[in-house]
Amino acid sequence: GIQVEQSPPDLILQEGANSTLRCNFSDSVNNLQWFHQNPWGQLINLFYIPSGTKQNGRLSATTVATERYSLLYISSSQTTDSGVYFCASGGGADGLTFGKGTHLIIQP
Amino acid sequence: EAQVTQNPRYLITVTGKKLTVTCSQNMNHEYMSWYRQDPGLGLRQIYYSMNVEVTDKGDVPEGYKVSRKEKRNFPLILESPSPNQTSLYFCASSPPTSIKYNEQFFGPGTRLTVL
Repeated sequence: GIQVEQSPPDLILQEGANSTLRCNFSDSVNNLQWFHQNPWGQLINLFYIPSGTKQNGRLSATTVATERYSLLYISSSQTTDSGVYFCASGGGADGLTFGKGTHLIIQP
Repeated sequence: EAQVTQNPRYLITVTGKKLTVTCSQNMNHEYMSWYRQDPGLGLRQIYYSMNVEVTDKGDVPEGYKVSRKEKRNFPLILESPSPNQTSLYFCASSPPTSIKYNEQFFGPGTRLTVL
């Protein structure tokens, strides 16, 4: 099945900083999702982005399917952005394949 | 509000005592699935359902049962829970998955501890 790799595994930033999280996948995909798992364990859908660029407030994402990667940008970080960010692809019988995540800590 | 709900959100139980975790979605989605999340192992699919009365095993089905009698509900049943089923469980749903995998929406999670 598809392999999904995320980098960096850990990131510590000061409030107000910007960050870029990367997701590489091993094969062509027709879907890609970004999630935020908050400290309470909830998985929050951020973007469904098989290709192209989307923006939602301070967050934006870009997927370049032909080069098999996706980027999540977080601007002007806030402490509430802390948590683990996952990218995932696939579905159906195989289920979504998740990366190991980027653990983000935003310090005040 | 479009959502996936799970109950209970937290549960502490003892080995062998049957339990059911309910999952319901109000988006009229055909596809539903269950995942468990464990440290170091990530999220793994337990069971999935392509539509009513159609269910199949995922990667880690042992010790679990599911049913899909109605489109909106997809309960996860642990007939005889064991401590190795202590985990964080997620239910998810999406529109039909055929040629293209659609966006999956996750419930808030159920944190289960089996003593």
